[in-house]
Amino acid sequence: QVQLQQSGPGLVKPSQTLSLTCAISGDSVSRNTAVWNWIRQSPSRGLEWLGRTYYRSKWYNDYAVSVKSRITINPDTSKNQFSLHLNSVTPEDTAVYYCARGYAFEFWGQGTVVTVSS
Amino acid sequence: EIVLTQSPGTLSLSPGERATLSCTASQSVSSNPLAWYQQKPGQAPRLLIYGASSRATGIPDRFSGSGSGTDFTLTISRLEPEDFAVYYCQQYGSSPFTFGPGTKVDIK
Repeated sequence: QVQLQQSGPGLVKPSQTLSLTCAISGDSVSRNTAVWNWIRQSPSRGLEWLGRTYYRSKWYNDYAVSVKSRITINPDTSKNQFSLHLNSVTPEDTAVYYCARGYAFEFWGQGTVVTVSS
Repeated sequence: EIVLTQSPGTLSLSPGERATLSCTASQSVSSNPLAWYQQKPGQAPRLLIYGASSRATGIPDRFSGSGSGTDFTLTISRLEPEDFAVYYCQQYGSSPFTFGPGTKVDIK
């Protein structure tokens, strides 16, 4: 059974970088038919897909236009995990952040509440 | 970007009744990469339907999906107490992969 375990801080100061990690068990981040995503949810923006990483003989990334200038998603094959880095955060980035596997998102992490506040 | 709208915003029904939820896309979702999710408070969304009409693993057969192009429907044939939740549609055919705003199914 695939499990995704998220970790990272719940409070980030404005202008700093939000960093979260999603550890994978029961699958491999580098499996060449898998896709690994970050999604967030807030009352003002609803569910918002942020981006993904996947391996198809080489690594690819795909990001939402709304965050493209600020986001990086990195795989870590040595730890079988992937990470989200969102820089220059503002209070508008306050949300519950989820990692998820798939094109349709069959497996989800538990969610991390991230508040952007000084 | 494909915008998804869902109707109604809220559906008030009794256990045992049939629920019909709609999702409309601003442009055609080619090859029907359309999914439905159920979300309960404090939980991550749960995949119910993918490919517009295929049930995900472990999903009861009272949940069914249909539609193509721009118009999609999720039907719950007979509501069980655990089905009262918020339901979202999502398209994964064209990046960015967008979600609808949700339909809340509550107890009448």
